Amino acid sequence: AQSVTQLGSHVSVSEGALVLLRCNYSSSVPPYLFWYVQYPNQGLQLLLKYTSAATLVKGINGFEAEFKKSETSFHLTKPSAHMSDAAEYFCAVSGLGYSTLTFGKGTMLLVSP
Amino acid sequence: NAGVTQTPKFQVLKTGQSMTLQCAQDMNHNSMYWYRQDPGMGLRLIYYSASEGTTDKGEVPNGYNVSRLNKREFSLRLESAAPSQTSVYFCASSDDRPLEQYFGPGTRLTVT
Repeated sequence: AQSVTQLGSHVSVSEGALVLLRCNYSSSVPPYLFWYVQYPNQGLQLLLKYTSAATLVKGINGFEAEFKKSETSFHLTKPSAHMSDAAEYFCAVSGLGYSTLTFGKGTMLLVSP
Repeated sequence: NAGVTQTPKFQVLKTGQSMTLQCAQDMNHNSMYWYRQDPGMGLRLIYYSASEGTTDKGEVPNGYNVSRLNKREFSLRLESAAPSQTSVYFCASSDDRPLEQYFGPGTRLTVT
């Protein structure tokens, strides 16, 4: 079965600091991987996706993620945090048969001035 | 182009009452999904529909039923609400691979 582990339910950074949100996955088939962001009282919005093309994927708002098959990881990074990045971030992996997604439990990113 | 819409936005039910959550998408997507979101649990799939006329159980289907009314609409029904069903419910839709899902704004349901 597919699964996702997000290390750290909360991550705190200062404005301007590097953002690193960790995601490890388990999949019995070549995975498609996604990062979503959720702002308070809103639905989820796609940040970026890996679909077996380039292993370094760039997304919206300056975020990027690198697919590392040997480490089964898909960590999300941003060089310089902005106050507006404060939100909850979810990593997701495609399910068996590629008909569904399995989501991680989420990481809340807190950005302080 | 409204994307994915959900009604209602908020609902309070008493234990044992029934209700239907409505979802519609205007992106001509084949697949639609219902999730529930609880603190610290992430999103858990309740039911999904890979195409018009088909539905399948997800991770947490007990206590729920769904109807794929047509390609645009996918409803979620609680026949006899329980306090454990207090949650935020999200509908999503996607085209085929790579499963990029588009989410609605959510319905916040409280069962007392």
